[in-house]
Amino acid sequence: AAGVIQSPRHLIKEKRETATLKCYPIPRHDTVYWYQQGPGQDPQFLISFYEKMQSDKGSIPDRFSAQQFSDYHSELNMSSLELGDSALYFCASSLGFNQFFGPGTRLTVL
Amino acid sequence: KNQVEQSPQSLIILEGKNCTLQCNYTVSPFSNLRWYKQDTGRGPVSLTIMTFSENTKSNGRYTATLDADTKQSSLHITASQLSDSASYICVVISEGGSYIPTFGRGTSLIVHP
Repeated sequence: AAGVIQSPRHLIKEKRETATLKCYPIPRHDTVYWYQQGPGQDPQFLISFYEKMQSDKGSIPDRFSAQQFSDYHSELNMSSLELGDSALYFCASSLGFNQFFGPGTRLTVL
Repeated sequence: KNQVEQSPQSLIILEGKNCTLQCNYTVSPFSNLRWYKQDTGRGPVSLTIMTFSENTKSNGRYTATLDADTKQSSLHITASQLSDSASYICVVISEGGSYIPTFGRGTSLIVHP
């Protein structure tokens, strides 16, 4: 069965650079969620989209933006990267209540 | 391979009734287990966090149990309300440097009047 795909799986950037993370939900899923998990921390909800519209917003910094495209894939754009942005970024998709999580993208900011 | 299995996948109950959701995991080494309530399209709300030494923890009408020997957890909801309709996600955090979460797929709970 198809799962949630995230790319890239690993990303290394330097401070003040920009990064774009991509999430491809399970086919026919209409909702995408983004989470950030810093080292030794709980996963933090960033933002969600339903039918290509922003649905809810959590602790997402102003330097970050995200959108969901017509094919339902989503991108998380991160600008002016800081050392503290180093984390695992999870994407999840759902159709209804149950979420399916992707494998995550590990971002390292040097 | 670390896995978190939740059951049932979906559950429909009448308002006022109690229910119990199950979470079985094979995550190792174990750090803690969390239950979240999440409405569709919204961010998750933390219900309980349980460490290895804790067997039971309550948060209002929610009571979570943990059996670290059998690697099972349950979330019991008493006197259900319509607003309890949501997805309940079990997340197990592994220890050992990376502090990686393993997510269950959630149990979809619908409470009918």
